Amino acid sequence: NAGVTQTPKFQVLKTGQSMTLQCAQDMNHNSMYWYRQDPGMGLRLIYYSASEGTTDKGEVPNGYNVSRLNKREFSLRLESAAPSQTSVYFCASIRTSGGADTQYFGPGTRLTVL
Amino acid sequence: KQEVTQIPAALSVPEGENLVLNCSFTDSAIYNLQWFRQDPGKGLTSLLLIQSSQREQTSGRLNASLDKSSGRSTLYIAASQPGDSATYLCAVITGGFKTIFGAGTRLFVKA
Repeated sequence: NAGVTQTPKFQVLKTGQSMTLQCAQDMNHNSMYWYRQDPGMGLRLIYYSASEGTTDKGEVPNGYNVSRLNKREFSLRLESAAPSQTSVYFCASIRTSGGADTQYFGPGTRLTVL
Repeated sequence: KQEVTQIPAALSVPEGENLVLNCSFTDSAIYNLQWFRQDPGKGLTSLLLIQSSQREQTSGRLNASLDKSSGRSTLYIAASQPGDSATYLCAVITGGFKTIFGAGTRLFVKA
């Protein structure tokens, strides 16, 4: 039981390049989220997926796209990377039980855009 | 717009001390509140989750309380240990799958 896995762990891009961050969970959760974490700002929600086949914008969606490929996988794509997208990206899946939504996080992807 | 604030931003205490971390939020219409721990260079680990109908949750040396009317939550750590050194984050979960995080409190427990 690996929980939430993310690939890659580190990535350096040049401005304008594209890439996809991968996330997978093996806990059979319906909901999955993508966050970015910047120093002094906490985590901010980029996109979320309440269930397979659905996605919605979070607080900071500009410059990103997502795909909920199946129940296990939720990917985040940067079409044209910008230095402002330098950040640590976290994927989370959510266990809902008795009205309590507990979030489980992956280890993160550290992205630098030059 | 919901805002979450954590005070202090950093805290250094000697081993064995009891301590309280604070989290405040501006909109009392919350679904849940969750406390996380984050070690340097790592992801977040869930510590405690308090549903909106609850007043507190306990796990080992940790106790989290919630006062929705005043927009406050506290995380109490008893008998702190060097292994407790980490950043502690609180997150407010509102309706519509929205989660708002505070910026965190960086805790250092000195041996």
